[in-house]
Amino acid sequence: AQSVTQLGSHVSVSEGALVLLRCNYSSSVPPYLFWYVQYPNQGLQLLLKYTSAATLVKGINGFEAEFKKSETSFHLTKPSAHMSDAAEYFCAASLDTGRRALTFGSGTRLQVQP
Amino acid sequence: GAGVSQSPSNKVTEKGKDVELRCDPISGHTALYWYRQSLGQGLEFLIYFQGNSAPDKSGLPSDRFSAERTGGSVSTLTIQRTQQEDSAVYLCASSPRGTGVRPGELFFGEGSRLTVL
Repeated sequence: AQSVTQLGSHVSVSEGALVLLRCNYSSSVPPYLFWYVQYPNQGLQLLLKYTSAATLVKGINGFEAEFKKSETSFHLTKPSAHMSDAAEYFCAASLDTGRRALTFGSGTRLQVQP
Repeated sequence: GAGVSQSPSNKVTEKGKDVELRCDPISGHTALYWYRQSLGQGLEFLIYFQGNSAPDKSGLPSDRFSAERTGGSVSTLTIQRTQQEDSAVYLCASSPRGTGVRPGELFFGEGSRLTVL
């Protein structure tokens, strides 16, 4: 079945350390891919999106993600974590052009330690 | 409005009661989506509107759930005879075009938190 998988429901890093949040998808064709962030008591907002133009995508707040077709992955990274990055991050994909909605992963809660 | 507006932001109800959740999308956005976010879970798709029609309602969990959209704008999600397992945050999102071959970015509201006692 087509799906989006986020490895690790909780990730904890120290301030200034590398952030790596993992996302893998299962699809017969490369989908469009998105990362969303949800701060406490807020709605989701778009961090970045991959739409086949370039495999390395840069987003807001210093985040970037690389699409790797061979690994069916779209991992999110940030070189240096900031306290304000603490939030929940969701990977999403348009897995099936017949299904008019994005499929979301289960989310990864990022904790940043001082 | 500037963003997607949802009301109420919080709703506490008793088991068996009906509830209505409202979503006011960004002006001009033709696509509207309802998702459900349960504690510790990801986002569960419920229904998608393109204009006033719902080409995909495959995510509605039971016939107690229904939704409508009028005037290509405001949408109402109705849950009849609420159950405790309906407790969740219901998120609405809109997009200038539907997902599919060229999916548009989704703009989310802050959600309606439903608690069924």
